[in-house]
Amino acid sequence: KNEVEQSPQNLTAQEGEFITINCSYSVGISALHWLQQHPGGGIVSLFMLSSGKKKHGRLIATINIQEKHSSLHITASHPRDSAVYICAVNSGGSNYKLTFGKGTLLTVNP
Amino acid sequence: DVKVTQSSRYLVKRTGEKVFLECVQDMDHENMFWYRQDPGLGLRLIYFSYDVKMKEKGDIPEGYSVSREKKERFSLILESASTNQTSMYLCASSPHGAYGYTFGSGTRLTVV
Repeated sequence: KNEVEQSPQNLTAQEGEFITINCSYSVGISALHWLQQHPGGGIVSLFMLSSGKKKHGRLIATINIQEKHSSLHITASHPRDSAVYICAVNSGGSNYKLTFGKGTLLTVNP
Repeated sequence: DVKVTQSSRYLVKRTGEKVFLECVQDMDHENMFWYRQDPGLGLRLIYFSYDVKMKEKGDIPEGYSVSREKKERFSLILESASTNQTSMYLCASSPHGAYGYTFGSGTRLTVV
């Protein structure tokens, strides 16, 4: 079993829909990251969380430390949101090692 | 704008060649990382460095080596490229004691 599990693996939505991507982890963590990767592109860091909730524009990330679970929400989705979203965690107090989920491929159709 | 720059976007090399992938960051970060990304496997850590001339193996170091002679530059070396090293390679950096990461745009390497 992977230490970081994401669901769903693939998600197709219509423009304007509210989207949720989930991430569960099985280890103690010091930080959780949400990353975005457009097709053929590099990776952009969206959020880093250790507790609570963060918002940036139409994106919201939440984390529940007790349940070892995080969600990434996209409100009013747009075709430009189409990308792979990756959850990653720093575990064991290390800022060296990131453990990655396998990613969620989001496609938003116009 | 802060940056992690990878020298090549696409690279095609022959089996047995020695391959150098270069990564430069302009943020004075102590930590630098090399990952490879493969479909169905996600990102896996090859090597990281926490200071000049310091390096540690990641999860999949076999067939790779690294060099960090200057703080801003971290090189990944494929001593004798093989077809199973065809992949997307991503460099990242982070400051010491902090969790923020900056990634490069990636190098898609094809070994033929």
